[in-house]
Amino acid sequence: QLQLQESGPGLVKPSETLSLTCTVSGDSISSSSYYWGWIRQPPGKGLEWIGSVFYGGSTYYNPSLKSRVTISVDTSKNQFSLKLSSVTAADTAVYYCARAPSDIGPVGYWGQGTLVTVSS
Amino acid sequence: DIQMTQSPSSLSASVGDRVTFTCRASQTISRSLNWYQQKPGKAPKLLIYSASFLQSGVPSRFSGSGSGTDFTLTISSLQPEDFATYYCQQSYSIPCSFGQGTKLEIQ
Repeated sequence: QLQLQESGPGLVKPSETLSLTCTVSGDSISSSSYYWGWIRQPPGKGLEWIGSVFYGGSTYYNPSLKSRVTISVDTSKNQFSLKLSSVTAADTAVYYCARAPSDIGPVGYWGQGTLVTVSS
Repeated sequence: DIQMTQSPSSLSASVGDRVTFTCRASQTISRSLNWYQQKPGKAPKLLIYSASFLQSGVPSRFSGSGSGTDFTLTISSLQPEDFATYYCQQSYSIPCSFGQGTKLEIQ
């Protein structure tokens, strides 16, 4: 049974870097043909795709966030991570990690989500 | 970027009703359209991919259709567990984008 679990600070100060990790169980990132990504949802609002990564290192980012986003894979820990720099209150959201069959394909598996609040 | 517009933004219906949600893309996306159901405090759940393919484990009362720019999601007979918010997503080009959602409420 595939499971994705987000972890990281729930509170980040403005101008700092948001860092989250997704731990994958039930599948191996390095042997899988799937893409691993991040999607966020501000409180009470809709969904926004942040980006995705393939285990070989290829990354795909939302152009609106590209200058601030880094998604990477740690195959030794079967994890992938998100870093979002220079955060503002507008980055406050529930962040979901996810698995899809392509860079922007349908997301069949989601983590439970983690709320990150940007506030001083 | 491709904009996705869902209508209506909210819908009231009763158990047993047939309901249809609409999603329109700002440019053609072939059949690269997916539908999700989201309940409060939960992650979205994939219902339909590639416009009309039912995700494994999803009840057959859900169906999808459309191509190009216009798509629909239909629930043939509403069940109590179907009251939720529904999102469409285009997976045709980066950045993939979601509609703003349609909230299905109990009448």
